Amino acid sequence: NAGVTQTPKFQVLKTGQSMTLQCAQDMNHEYMSWYRQDPGMGLRLIHYSVGAGITDQGEVPNGYNVSRSTTEDFPLRLLSAAPSQTSVYFCASSPLRGSVETQYFGPGTRLLVL
Amino acid sequence: AQKITQTQPGMFVQEKEAVTLDCTYDTSDPSYGLFWYKQPSSGEMIFLIYQGSYDQQNATEGRYSLNFQKARKSANLVISASQLGDSAMYFCVANFGNEKLTFGTGTRLTIIP
Repeated sequence: NAGVTQTPKFQVLKTGQSMTLQCAQDMNHEYMSWYRQDPGMGLRLIHYSVGAGITDQGEVPNGYNVSRSTTEDFPLRLLSAAPSQTSVYFCASSPLRGSVETQYFGPGTRLLVL
Repeated sequence: AQKITQTQPGMFVQEKEAVTLDCTYDTSDPSYGLFWYKQPSSGEMIFLIYQGSYDQQNATEGRYSLNFQKARKSANLVISASQLGDSAMYFCVANFGNEKLTFGTGTRLTIIP
């Protein structure tokens, strides 16, 4: 049971480039989400999904796309990277939709946009 | 608006002493969950403890306990017998029942030998 995995661990992009941050979980969790953490701050929700085929926007969705074709995977796409997207990105999952269950976090992806 | 407030940006505590990290929250919903996460310098988010809004007793997990005062809307984390490995950033987090976590700004705890 690997939990929540994220790849890559670190990425450098140039302004305007696109990339996909990968997130996978093997716990059969319905709920998955993406957060970003800027220096000295807590995490802010980008997008989330309550099951395969269902996604919705969080607090800071602009500049990011997501899809959920399977229960296990929840990739985050940056279509045209900007320096303001330099951040640490965390993927999280939890077992029950609409619950107050603990969320399990991946190890994070550090993204630098030049 | 639903929010989490942590008023201590940083704390320095002598090793082996107990430490209390403050957290207050604001919601009108009756059902919610409160969490504390630890983020060491390595960056991962480590779940420490959970308190449900309907739980009658304060949550405890080893050296961690959550001082839950519902009427005051506070959920302070107490770490007993602090250790050098407790040095980290600590986040108070809430799930206000809408499938989204709300984070406080965090408290950076430094344990002094």
